[in-house]
Amino acid sequence: DIQMTQSPSSLSASVGDRVTITCRASQSIRSNLNWYQQKPGKAPKVLIYDASSLQSGVPSRFSGSGSGTDFTLTISSLQPEDFATYYCQQSYSTPRTFGQGTKLEIK
Amino acid sequence: QVQLQESGPGLVKPSETLSLTCTVSGGSISSNFWTWIRQPAGKGLEWIGRIYPSGSTNYNPSLKSRVTMSVDTSKNQFSLKLSSVTAADTAVYYCARETQWLVQFLFDSWGQGTLVTVSS
Repeated sequence: DIQMTQSPSSLSASVGDRVTITCRASQSIRSNLNWYQQKPGKAPKVLIYDASSLQSGVPSRFSGSGSGTDFTLTISSLQPEDFATYYCQQSYSTPRTFGQGTKLEIK
Repeated sequence: QVQLQESGPGLVKPSETLSLTCTVSGGSISSNFWTWIRQPAGKGLEWIGRIYPSGSTNYNPSLKSRVTMSVDTSKNQFSLKLSSVTAADTAVYYCARETQWLVQFLFDSWGQGTLVTVSS
C-alpha cells in the first residue's frame, strides 16, 4: 500500500492568511493526487485532482502543486468557510489511500 | 447531478454481518467505479473497495477476507457486506462515485454517510 503523510496535522490561521498543507507519498505517484475538504458531519468534497487541476465550482483561492512524492495544497486568502479538515488521496494504485488529515482552525 | 444515498441498519451485533446499500439517482450506475469508504469517529478516511458495473471488484487487502460488494444495475444500486464485525468496524460509511477523467481518478460524488455502530 502507498502511505500518504500530511503535515501539519493541525493548523491555526486567521481569515485572509495564506496557508499551505503538504502531503508526501511513500513512493512516486506521478500526479495522481487529489485533495478533499471535509466539514463536520459532512462528506468530503473534492477540491483538486491531478495534483493541480481545480475541480469545477471550487474557488480559485485553492491551488495544488507537486508531482512524484511531494505535493502541496495552498489557500491563498483564507475565508471563514475554509475552516475544515483537508485530506490528500492517491489515485495511482489500489488500495486507494488517504493522508491522516489536516485540521484547519481559526486563530 | 448524480446523488447517492446509503441505507441499512445503524446497529449491528458483534460477529454479525454489516449490510449497506447505496442508491444512485440522477445518473446511471452503468459506468464509473462505485466505492465504499468509512470513517471512524474523529479519525481519517479508509477506502474499503470499489465495484465496476460489470461486477469486477477491488478490495482493500486489510478487509478483503470480510468484504463482499455487489451491483444491481437494474435498480441503480450497489451494496456492501462486511462479515464478522467488531467494535473496530464502528464508523460512518460513505458510498461514493470514482470518476475517471483521462488518466485521473477522483471521488467526485458522495453520499451523506451513514453511521453504523457495532454493539451488542
